[in-house]
Amino acid sequence: QITLKESGPTLVKPTQTLTLTCTFSGFSLSTSGLGVGWIRQPPGKALEWLALIYWNDDKRYSPSLRSRFTITQDTSKNQVVLTMTNMDPVDTATYYCALKYCTGGSCYWAFDYWGQGTLVTVSS
Amino acid sequence: QSALTQPASVSGSPGQSITISCTGTSGDINFYHYVSWYQQHPGKAPKLVIFDVSNRPSGVSNRFSGSKSGNTASLTISGLQAEDEADYYCSSHPSNTPDWVFGGGTKLTVL
Repeated sequence: QITLKESGPTLVKPTQTLTLTCTFSGFSLSTSGLGVGWIRQPPGKALEWLALIYWNDDKRYSPSLRSRFTITQDTSKNQVVLTMTNMDPVDTATYYCALKYCTGGSCYWAFDYWGQGTLVTVSS
Repeated sequence: QSALTQPASVSGSPGQSITISCTGTSGDINFYHYVSWYQQHPGKAPKLVIFDVSNRPSGVSNRFSGSKSGNTASLTISGLQAEDEADYYCSSHPSNTPDWVFGGGTKLTVL
């Protein structure tokens, strides 16, 4: 059974750095083709893709946010970590991690397994 | 970065069919191949219902179908049920970039 769960602080102050951890089970990120991404959703607003890390440590970022974000993986701990610098109140959102959809030996441009999300509020 | 445009809301009565559109950037080849759709109930994580324009993941009801025409992709839900009331998001992988983009979302109301 595949599960993902986000963890991290629920409240951060403006200009601080936020570190979120996605702990997963049921798969190994060292498996060829797999990728874990981060997506966020401000309250009442749309989904926004942030970053993705692949099994081979290839990393992709949203162009508008890449200067502030770093995604890493710890294969031994089954974790993917997203670090965001210089947090601002507009970064208040529910942050999700999700697994890129792979089936039958092929992977697709979609996410099928999602964590429950974690709400992060940026406020002084 | 490409933008995906969705209607803010659609509605339908139980048993009816509804269609949600998702308009991409004209000429974006990838848009025609890599559109996915997600269903999101309030307070819940999104659920994948369609990938690669018209494919359903295992376990998703066949009442959900996807299609494309020109630079517009569509999600159709047939035989509307109360449980289908949710927000729906389209997503795509624009050509020549590593990006992943989502549409603005559509709120489906089952009357």
